[in-house]
Amino acid sequence: DIVLTQTPLSSPVTLGQPASISCRSSQSLVHSNGNTYLSWLQQRPGQPPRLLIYEISNRFSGVPDRFSGSGAGTDFTLKISRVEAEDVGVYYCMQGAQFPRTFGQGTKLEIK
Amino acid sequence: EVQLLESGGGLVQPGGSLRLSCAASGFTVINSPMTWVRQAAGKGLEWVSAISGTTGGTYYADSVKGRFTISRDSSKNTLYLQMNSLRADDTAIYFCAEGGSWLEYWGQGILVTVSS
Repeated sequence: DIVLTQTPLSSPVTLGQPASISCRSSQSLVHSNGNTYLSWLQQRPGQPPRLLIYEISNRFSGVPDRFSGSGAGTDFTLKISRVEAEDVGVYYCMQGAQFPRTFGQGTKLEIK
Repeated sequence: EVQLLESGGGLVQPGGSLRLSCAASGFTVINSPMTWVRQAAGKGLEWVSAISGTTGGTYYADSVKGRFTISRDSSKNTLYLQMNSLRADDTAIYFCAEGGSWLEYWGQGILVTVSS
């Protein structure tokens, strides 16, 4: 199975400041069709997860442009340009290149 | 508007069975890849099972293989997860989601508790 390792596991951030989360995969996430299936999800307290980014860098419908994704192969990053109070929650990366799908452990974003 | 609504959860004894349902609106489950994900209390997300939108092929996590079965009903536009031989470590909130390689829309989740 593909293992996704997120760092940091906890990220205290000042409002208005940037935040960055890394996701490293144990194997390449490039599918045989050439696409790279790495996505990012946000889970606010008490809520189901919500898709933010798919295929490394594509923002899902309704996601603010302060969220961006980058990376290639096995190393990926989610960046929030200016953290807002509503961004508090846990962020997960997920790989969709192979079955079983797997998630990172989650990174808890909190406000300092 | 896409909506997913899970039902069928509850308390069950170890070794028992439950069938979860996920009623969809705003799209057709028979044409879409669909996924079940679970989350134990205070823990991260665990992928459980998926069904292909095109072929109907099914996929399972090793932890549930042979015990859980994913299926769908086009007439009811509903996804199911039949869970047999339940164990205490199956206790979690179960989410259904639309998508395969990435999960676009999620239900609110339904709690399954396996305990005597």
